[in-house]
Amino acid sequence: KQEVTQIPAALSVPEGENLVLNCSFTDSAIYNLQWFRQDPGKGLTSLLLIQSSQREQTSGRLNASLDKSSGRSTLYIAASQPGDSATYLCAASNDYKLSFGAGTTVTVRA
Amino acid sequence: NAGVTQTPKFQVLKTGQSMTLQCAQDMNHEYMSWYRQDPGMGLRLIHYSVGAGITDQGEVPNGYNVSRSTTEDFPLRLLSAAPSQTSVYFCASSYFVQGAGGYTFGSGTRLTVV
Repeated sequence: KQEVTQIPAALSVPEGENLVLNCSFTDSAIYNLQWFRQDPGKGLTSLLLIQSSQREQTSGRLNASLDKSSGRSTLYIAASQPGDSATYLCAASNDYKLSFGAGTTVTVRA
Repeated sequence: NAGVTQTPKFQVLKTGQSMTLQCAQDMNHEYMSWYRQDPGMGLRLIHYSVGAGITDQGEVPNGYNVSRSTTEDFPLRLLSAAPSQTSVYFCASSYFVQGAGGYTFGSGTRLTVV
């Protein structure tokens, strides 16, 4: 059974600082790994999708890396803004399902 | 707008009542699934479907039924609601079986069973 862990559970940083969010998974036979953002009381918004054959994906200030062999993915958010405050979820895809981590709740202080 | 549409957004049920949560997607995705999100438990898979007429159970299927008669729709039925089914329910779809195309989620249904 795939187990996904996210560290830290919560993070508070001043505006402008770079964010580093970690995700680890136990079964390396994944099809892809996806990062989502969830605002309080809202749904999941996809941020980045990394296929198993890829090492990283970038979108604007966001960059995600994937190391299948070590079972790790990292989401980097450059020059954080108060609008980046949210919960970030990583999810590993295999065997017809997504396995989610518990999330990292980020607060960016103005 | 293309995407996954869930209805209703909010629902309160009495214990023992039945209801259907609706999910529709207009992206011609083969794969559709239902998750529930609970504090401290994260998102857990209830049921999924890899195409019309094909469904299977996820991690927490008890108390829920699904069917898939069309590519677009994947309703979730609660047969006899229990307080333990109070949760936020999300429907998700994917372009390709096993999620090679990534997953798109609906905005969720907040269900309270009293």
